Amino acid sequence: DGGITQSPKYLFRKEGQNVTLSCEQNLNHDAMYWYRQDPGQGLRLIYYSQIVNDFQKGDIAEGYSVSREKKESFPLTVTSAQKNPTAFYLCASTHPDRGYGYTFGSGTRLTVV
Amino acid sequence: EDQVTQSPEALRLQEGESSSLNCSYTVSGLRGLFWYRQDPGKGPEFLFTLYSAGEEKEKERLKATLTKKESFLHITAPKPEDSATYLCAVQAWAGGSYIPTFGRGTSLIVHP
Repeated sequence: DGGITQSPKYLFRKEGQNVTLSCEQNLNHDAMYWYRQDPGQGLRLIYYSQIVNDFQKGDIAEGYSVSREKKESFPLTVTSAQKNPTAFYLCASTHPDRGYGYTFGSGTRLTVV
Repeated sequence: EDQVTQSPEALRLQEGESSSLNCSYTVSGLRGLFWYRQDPGKGPEFLFTLYSAGEEKEKERLKATLTKKESFLHITAPKPEDSATYLCAVQAWAGGSYIPTFGRGTSLIVHP
């Protein structure tokens, strides 16, 4: 079945360390997104990409970086510049056939230790 | 600035007790309104897309409706397995890409 795979499910980061969250999709969707979810807050957009080798900053891009070298993959790096990285991270993709409704991955919970 | 407000923040129902969740929005150029269901520790699951006032969509015990200022998610005779957080998102045209704004969600608990 087609879908989005995020890994790992749980990730622990030490102070000053960069970590990379994986997002892979086999839906043949062009557009992919990264969101951050904190308790009591709505989903906040970090980065998005509409096509390979192109991406745009979202509302909270500071301290994060992405790449889009393949259509299927959109990894997110949480850098040491992100001072409050503990959160639940969600990757999503979308397609016009669905009215641009999102298909989400199962998420990665990142904790700073 | 686009805004999406969901109410109530939390809702407790008895099994079989029907109710509605609200999503009010202010957006320039509405393209679509989405409802998602999210279980704890999981990614949201797409439920419905609504495009224009007066439109309705149904899925099992859920029915979504849309007006020019708000959307309702009606839950008829809920069961405990309907317990989840329900997210609303509003989509507008923004620089050539459809970027939705999410509400904070309504946490629904259905007691047996």
